[in-house]
Amino acid sequence: QQQVKQSPQSLIVQKGGISIINCAYENTAFDYFPWYQQFPGKGPALLIAIRPDVSEKKEGRFTISFNKSAKQFSLHIMDSQPGDSATYFCAASFYNQGGKLIFGQGTELSVKP
Amino acid sequence: GAVVSQHPSWVICKSGTSVKIECRSLDFQATTMFWYRQFPKQSLMLMATSNEGSKATYEQGVEKDKFLINHASLTLSTLTVTSAHPEDSSFYICSARGLSGNSYNEQFFGPGTRLTVL
Repeated sequence: QQQVKQSPQSLIVQKGGISIINCAYENTAFDYFPWYQQFPGKGPALLIAIRPDVSEKKEGRFTISFNKSAKQFSLHIMDSQPGDSATYFCAASFYNQGGKLIFGQGTELSVKP
Repeated sequence: GAVVSQHPSWVICKSGTSVKIECRSLDFQATTMFWYRQFPKQSLMLMATSNEGSKATYEQGVEKDKFLINHASLTLSTLTVTSAHPEDSSFYICSARGLSGNSYNEQFFGPGTRLTVL
């Protein structure tokens, strides 16, 4: 019930293309859905986050699409660049549990020049 | 933005020794800090949640006597790996959550500490 399932495990995209990573959850009590970017040997950094009362949020080239009824959310990276090559994690949390984050399995993105 | 530091960034120790990792929130007060462990090519696994001035809450399967967590102030939490063994070798990452406000639920992550136990 507390799992967050992420796909694909790895993704190769050409420079300028759109990268799409999907996540699904079961627990409808989740009320915060962030995406993190992690480079090798570094800690994760928050990219963008959304709450379930919003269906889409855009920040620069990054967009979260949120489908509450399907219990799914996705990250779209527009105009993907080689510098975007990293591992991306979706996560979910609910405030009543102290904001504890449940992470997806991660997606290793490689953007080819 | 909010900055979280960790020290050391990497450490190598002999089997049976104890290692302490510090996590500091540099420009905000962290009411809650979290400790994660990450093995290569895997996701982050939450080990424990600590609130300032109270005992840490450990996730199922995490040995509280082996991984000692202290959250002595609103800017510092420490993780001590006691009697470390090679299987404890991992990347340990902390995160901090500030006081309520615009940073609803937002956690800020440290850069991680690479622990290698020989």
